[in-house]
Parts: sequence; structure tokens; C-alpha cells
Amino acid sequence: SAVISQKPSRDICQRGTSLTIQCQVDSQVTMMFWYRQQPGQSLTLIATANQGSEATYESGFVIDKFPISRPNLTFSTLTVSNMSPEDSSIYLCSAPTGGGYGYTFGSGTRLTVV
Amino acid sequence: KQEVTQIPAALSVPEGENLVLNCSFTDSAIYNLQWFRQDPGKGLTSLLLIQSSQREQTSGRLNASLDKSSGRSTLYIAASQPGDSATYLCAAVSGNTGKLIFGQGTTLQVKP
Repeated sequence: SAVISQKPSRDICQRGTSLTIQCQVDSQVTMMFWYRQQPGQSLTLIATANQGSEATYESGFVIDKFPISRPNLTFSTLTVSNMSPEDSSIYLCSAPTGGGYGYTFGSGTRLTVV
Repeated sequence: KQEVTQIPAALSVPEGENLVLNCSFTDSAIYNLQWFRQDPGKGLTSLLLIQSSQREQTSGRLNASLDKSSGRSTLYIAASQPGDSATYLCAAVSGNTGKLIFGQGTTLQVKP
């Protein structure tokens, strides 16, 4: 199956700043997905990132807070903007990697906002 | 809107016991269903993928079944071991949107 490299693996940020998370897939994929996992919770879909078009956001998530880029079929970034302590979570990217392997996930970014 | 529910939320068993984790979904128009394992503070590891046309998949001590008509999937773990202690997540892939929607997970503890 494909491998997704995600970075940074963790970061501690000051409130009011922004952090950009990167995901690189070792093969071309049509769709990429970004998830948030708040402490003790399951994964919640933030948005779907398609190459060549704007990301599609789920209810409760907006582009100004979570801008996403998808410059090509192997790469995507998620920015968490104007951070507050409530943004402290694990952020994960994912892609359907085909060949019967289903969805593959990056290793996650553990974000702490202080 | 697809909703995925997992029961129980937590489970504690002695080593060696066979156990079943349950997952239900509201929209039967799924493309496939995938079971993941997550260790504390770690990312997700894919365990089993069941295509919508399949009834079950097996990998070692794990067996996952899928019944689309009833909106249910089960993960069977045979002869549980302390190393199986983790959170198990099921996720349904929408046939219409390709989105992967997760249940809340079952946290398993296997005691030596």
C-alpha cells in the first residue's frame, strides 16, 4: 500500500499563531482528506482536498480557519490559523490508496496550543 | 448523513479470551468498511478492509464481517493477548462521496 509522510509530528504553538501541516504521498491520489482528533475522541473529517479545485469543508469547519492547499496529486497542506487552546488536537491526513488497501493515514501531527 | 456507532465503548478481558467488537452504520450505500487500530498517542494502523461485495475478511487472529442489509460489521479477535490492547475504530466509506466516516471507537484492555 502507499505511504503517507506527515510533518511535523508534533508542535507546541503560541495562541494567535498559525501552523502548516504537510502530507506527502508516495503515489498519485485523486482525493486527500484531513481529520482532527480531539483528546479522547474519534476522528472528525475537516475537509476533502482535490487537486485543481478548492477544498470541500464539513459542517463546522471553515476555510479561513483551516486553509488547505493541494498543488499536485501527491501533496497537500493544512494550516491551522489563529490558534487557540481549543485547537489542541491530533491532525491526520488520509488518502484512498487503492489496490484493495482502503485508506492510508499519515502518522499524525500532535498540536498543543499554549 | 452517514453515522457510525461502535459498541461497547470500552472492554476489559483476561488474556486468551475471544471477543467481538460491534460497529453499525446508518447508510447502507457504503463502498467499503475498514477497521483500524490506534495505540495511545499514535496514528492509525489498518487492520482489515471489507469491500461492499464481500461478507468477511480474515487476517491472522482477526476476522471482520459485513452485513450491509442490517448496517452492521463485527471484528472478532481470537485468543486475545495483552499486545492487542488499543483502541479499535471502524470506518465506513460512503459510496457517493468517498468520505471515510469513523465510529467513536472501542478501547480494549487485555489483562495478563
